[in-house]
Amino acid sequence: GNSVTQMEGPVTLSEEAFLTINCTYTATGYPSLFWYVQYPGEGLQLLLKATKADDKGSNKGFEATYRKETTSFHLEKGSVQVSDSAVYFCALRGGSARQLTFGSGTQLTVLP
Amino acid sequence: GAGVSQSPSNKVTEKGKDVELRCDPISGHTALYWYRQRLGQGLEFLIYFQGNSAPDKSGLPSDRFSAERTGESVSTLTIQRTQQEDSAVYLCASSPSNRAANTEAFFGQGTRLTVV
Repeated sequence: GNSVTQMEGPVTLSEEAFLTINCTYTATGYPSLFWYVQYPGEGLQLLLKATKADDKGSNKGFEATYRKETTSFHLEKGSVQVSDSAVYFCALRGGSARQLTFGSGTQLTVLP
Repeated sequence: GAGVSQSPSNKVTEKGKDVELRCDPISGHTALYWYRQRLGQGLEFLIYFQGNSAPDKSGLPSDRFSAERTGESVSTLTIQRTQQEDSAVYLCASSPSNRAANTEAFFGQGTRLTVV
């Protein structure tokens, strides 16, 4: 079955630091990959996605590249802000499964 | 426009009681999902509905859990004889269609259930 393994947190960074949150996956075929973000007090919302190998999803300064050879979809941002403090979830959908399969989430705290 | 709406936002119930959680999807969305998020853990799939097709119930953890959806409208998740391990945030999501793997799912803010 499908599974997502995500870097455990919590992660605490200073403002303007570089961010990487690792995500690897197991799936049959060619899944679509997603990063969702949950800001404090809000529901999950899509941050970015990629649908085929070597695609790069990007939004709000965040990027992630679909790497089929390493089955990875690591989230990166060159310079984080306090407002990026949130929980980040890596997810996939593919194969015969119609539901999204999520990682365990990574809590990010950015200090001023 | 309105997003996915869930009610109640918080529910405290006594062990052994039944609870009903409600989800109003985005209008026109044919696919609807329920997930459970235990404290400090990822999202656990429970059930999904696609239009008038038979729902995928493969994620329901026990026969105490059930869900209904009429057509493409409101869904209710019912937990009978609640146990303390049922305490979690229950999330609902909807999407325009489930048929494409790259379709985004839109989430509600969840119902926080506490069983005491």
